Parts: sequence; structure tokens; C-alpha cells
Amino acid sequence: GENVEQHPSTLSVQEGDSAVIKCTYSDSASNYFPWYKQELGKRPQLIIDIRSNVGEKKDQRIAVTLNKTAKHFSLHITETQPEDSAVYFCASWGNTGFQKLVFGTGTRLLVSP
Amino acid sequence: DTAVSQTPKYLVTQMGNDKSIKCEQNLGHDTMYWYKQDSKKFLKIMFSYNNKELIINETVPNRFSPKSPDKAHLNLHINSLELGDSAVYFCASSQGYGQETQYFGPGTRLLVL
Repeated sequence: GENVEQHPSTLSVQEGDSAVIKCTYSDSASNYFPWYKQELGKRPQLIIDIRSNVGEKKDQRIAVTLNKTAKHFSLHITETQPEDSAVYFCASWGNTGFQKLVFGTGTRLLVSP
Repeated sequence: DTAVSQTPKYLVTQMGNDKSIKCEQNLGHDTMYWYKQDSKKFLKIMFSYNNKELIINETVPNRFSPKSPDKAHLNLHINSLELGDSAVYFCASSQGYGQETQYFGPGTRLLVL
């Protein structure tokens, strides 16, 4: 089945800096890669997603890139703000065996003013 | 106008007890899920239901029994609670089963003493 690894586990940046979170997946048949943001004590919420027929997608300060050959994808946040502080999860929709969303282990992002 | 709701929000109980968590979505979605988030924040699928039918049971002990009386509801009953069941349980829903955005409920924080 699908396995998703996520790095780093924690990331501290200064306000205005960029932040990059990286994930790798194992199932070459996976074709959908969402990113979720979870604020402290709250529910995970989708912030951006990418499908396997696209290499990059951007939404304001957030962008995601996908390298299918290397089986990795990344989240890029530019001009970080304190309200970006949260735990970010990558995920992969595995298509081999039971189809399901498999989450990475999460990255705790702290943006200091 | 809450999209995905869960009750109760908090649940504190003794080992060996039986408890239920209820989930409702008013998005008209066909697919619902239960996830478990442990103390390290790992998010793992437990069950997936599509059109009231069980799709995935992710090697969850049979003390956990989901029930979907209709497409808008997915409840979780847990028998003989154990200390290791302490976690946050999230319900989620999506339009269909596949590469779809999943919308999470607010979570139920279960503490087994």
C-alpha cells in the first residue's frame, strides 16, 4: 500500500520568509495529492491540491509542485505570516490495493513576527 | 449551516465502557470517513463508507463498529474502551469516493481513564 514520508517535522521561520515542506510517496499509481492545514485544536482543512497530470499549481502565496518521476511533491509558502503557523499535512490518494487517502506525518510550522 | 458536525466534542470515560460518536454532513456528499489522530498528530483512516456501504475497514479492532443509517450520517460505536483508544476522532465527507476534497468535522476528543 501507499506510504507517505514528510519532512521536516518542525519548521521555524521569520515572518516574510519562505517555507518549504517536502513529501515522498511510494505508490507510482497515486494521482491525487492534497495538502491540509490544521490549526491548534481545529480540524484539518484543504489548502491546495494537485493532480498527477499537472506539475505545479499556485494559489496566491501557496504553491505545490509535483515530480512524478521522483515521486515527490512539495508545498511552498511565500511571504509567511504568523497566521500561517499550524501543522501541515501532505497526503496521497493511493490507487493500489484499497484506495484511500494516506497522510504524511505532519510539519509543525512556526512563523515568528 | 455547519457542513460536517460531530457530537460529542469531548468524551471522558473509564476503561471498559462503551461509547458512541455521531457524525452528520449536510453537504449532500456520498462518501464519509472516520479518521483517528493520535497524540503525535498522525492522521489515519479507519473506515470509508460510500452510499452507506462499507468500502474500507483499515485493520481496526472489531470493538469499533461504524453504522451509516443514511448517506448523511456515519456513527462510530466503540465497545470495551481501552487506554490506547484515547485520541481525536475526525469524521469527514467527500462528494464521491476518489480524488475528492475531504471535509472534516471538528473532531471528538476521547480520553479513556
